[in-house]
Amino acid sequence: DVKVTQSSRYLVKRTGEKVFLECVQDMDHENMFWYRQDPGLGLRLIYFSYDVKMKEKGDIPEGYSVSREKKERFSLILESASTNQTSMYLCASSSGINYGYTFGSGTRLTVV
Amino acid sequence: EDQVTQSPEALRLQEGESSSLNCSYTVSGLRGLFWYRQDPGKGPEFLFTLYSAGEEKEKERLKATLTKKESFLHITAPKPEDSATYLCAVNNYGQNFVFGPGTRLSVLP
Repeated sequence: DVKVTQSSRYLVKRTGEKVFLECVQDMDHENMFWYRQDPGLGLRLIYFSYDVKMKEKGDIPEGYSVSREKKERFSLILESASTNQTSMYLCASSSGINYGYTFGSGTRLTVV
Repeated sequence: EDQVTQSPEALRLQEGESSSLNCSYTVSGLRGLFWYRQDPGKGPEFLFTLYSAGEEKEKERLKATLTKKESFLHITAPKPEDSATYLCAVNNYGQNFVFGPGTRLSVLP
């Protein structure tokens, strides 16, 4: 069964900490994405990547960075966590637009 | 700016009571419209892709249809296990999607 795995289901971090969210896919997909999901706002794209070592900003990249050193792994980094980054973070991958996304189960991050 | 809205925000049905969810979109050029199902605490699960007006797709009790301005997800004789949030998203020939806020469906036994 193909899947996208996010390393943590729940995380609690303190304001100002550097936070790493890891995502691994086993489908050999080229495209990977990070979204955050908030009530009433839906899914918003943070960053995406079409290839190793390449990244593109999404709609809300401020306060975040990403790393893609290997095809199967896409990491989201919160450089200095703030309370307004408390959210559900979803990683997704796809082999192309026509096939939709395969999402991970999400990481619920709370910044205190 | 591309936009997707969904209605209603929440819907409660009795088991067996058929209904429809709406997804309205404004997009510069539609490459595809996608429906997802999301269970609580989980990531969205892909259901359908629709590409052109008049197209229909079916899966079990679900049928998705597409017009030039909106899509409907029809649920026929729903069961409690159909309870979830249903998301639609559009792609405009870019490499990513614009998602709607979702409709939260509850099917009561």
